[in-house]
Amino acid sequence: EAGVAQSPRYKIIEKRQSVAFWCNPISGHATLYWYQQILGQGPKLLIQFQNNGVVDDSQLPKDRFSAERLKGVDSTLKIQPAKLEDSAVYLCASSPSGLVWVEQFFGPGTRLTVL
Amino acid sequence: QKEVEQNSGPLSVPEGAIASLNCTYSDRGSQSFFWYRQYSGKSPELIMSIYSNGDKEDGRFTAQLNKASQYVSLLIRDSQPSDSATYLCAVTPSNSGYALNFGKGTSLLVTP
Repeated sequence: EAGVAQSPRYKIIEKRQSVAFWCNPISGHATLYWYQQILGQGPKLLIQFQNNGVVDDSQLPKDRFSAERLKGVDSTLKIQPAKLEDSAVYLCASSPSGLVWVEQFFGPGTRLTVL
Repeated sequence: QKEVEQNSGPLSVPEGAIASLNCTYSDRGSQSFFWYRQYSGKSPELIMSIYSNGDKEDGRFTAQLNKASQYVSLLIRDSQPSDSATYLCAVTPSNSGYALNFGKGTSLLVTP
């Protein structure tokens, strides 16, 4: 079974530029999560999708971050414009459903550096 | 944002010893508790899940949950240098969505 795929793996941009990350979840997984992990901290949820609907985006900085999951499969996360404090690893995870006892599988992450 | 607290460490134990990692959480309605291992530069990997009070054992790992004390722990028996990593405690909050609320992680170093 193929795992969660993410691209790019690394990205370096200047502040105020835009950037987009892509995630392809495990086949058949209905729930998709984007987490932000700043160095030395645990992952923090940005947005959760169930199929192509948003379940939770309460911690997404909506003035600069946006995310979509077209057709309930792939997802993109965009930052526009980027700030220095956005430097982090962006992790995508998926699970078969949004149920409380179901394991989430993480992709390799995209490491973003904002200069 | 409900809190999940962990001692950041580093926790250093000799090879073959028992490593004890602790986690407290503030959301009394939390239902599921997970321990993830994260090697440097890698993504989190699930090693244990626990849902009811008591102990759950899987190989060298034992998770312990005490909901009354809002406390979760992970014991690693016969620690190996390959266990050196950051261990993240994660909790599903009582509000909707069931996304994970992570602690900052405890860095474990197992010395030969």
